Amino acid sequence: GAGVSQSPSNKVTEKGKDVELRCDPISGHTALYWYRQSLGQGLEFLIYFQGNSAPDKSGLPSDRFSAERTGGSVSTLTIQRTQQEDSAVYLCASTSFISGAGNTIYFGEGSWLTVV
Amino acid sequence: AQSVTQLGSHVSVSEGALVLLRCNYSSSVPPYLFWYVQYPNQGLQLLLKYTSAATLVKGINGFEAEFKKSETSFHLTKPSAHMSDAAEYFCAVSGAGGGNKLTFGTGTQLKVEL
Repeated sequence: GAGVSQSPSNKVTEKGKDVELRCDPISGHTALYWYRQSLGQGLEFLIYFQGNSAPDKSGLPSDRFSAERTGGSVSTLTIQRTQQEDSAVYLCASTSFISGAGNTIYFGEGSWLTVV
Repeated sequence: AQSVTQLGSHVSVSEGALVLLRCNYSSSVPPYLFWYVQYPNQGLQLLLKYTSAATLVKGINGFEAEFKKSETSFHLTKPSAHMSDAAEYFCAVSGAGGGNKLTFGTGTQLKVEL
């Protein structure tokens, strides 16, 4: 598609259940990011994939969070044993990393997760 | 480590008035700086970015920002606010130790009143 696509757009889950959020980046983009946006917390970096390099996982808040990127394209963010504090909008973004760090990063519309 | 600080979590202006949203950055080397806008229930959209070319950067929807190294600032302005500008605005920094990763400020909610 033309932009970053995320699914589901909305997800309500029970506390303790696992959830998977999917991101389909812009075709040809080599770098992919996950961010979390919570009320009053701003935008929090979670994880960054760049090509075949080891991902930067420094923002994952706990070992309940993990992400993978298959074939250098689609990514899945998994949250195990969800807690109420995991309720947030999870934003995926991608860019065509060429060199340096001034590349425009394009965001999807997010997956709204509510843990009840 | 690099960071940005947005002064004022909420800003209210009258339609037609000047919009000024403040952003200060912290970086040991020249950074790349961005302003993103988020309309209700939507994702983030890039307004403009500074990548060490011109210090005055023009973006979409009539917004512009000026990079001032001496003040470590990258404030966003628009001469005349429209009702459609009501949204949340985020300043972000990348580069140096953060590589291609964006570090965001906490955002400023802009309200435009008649």
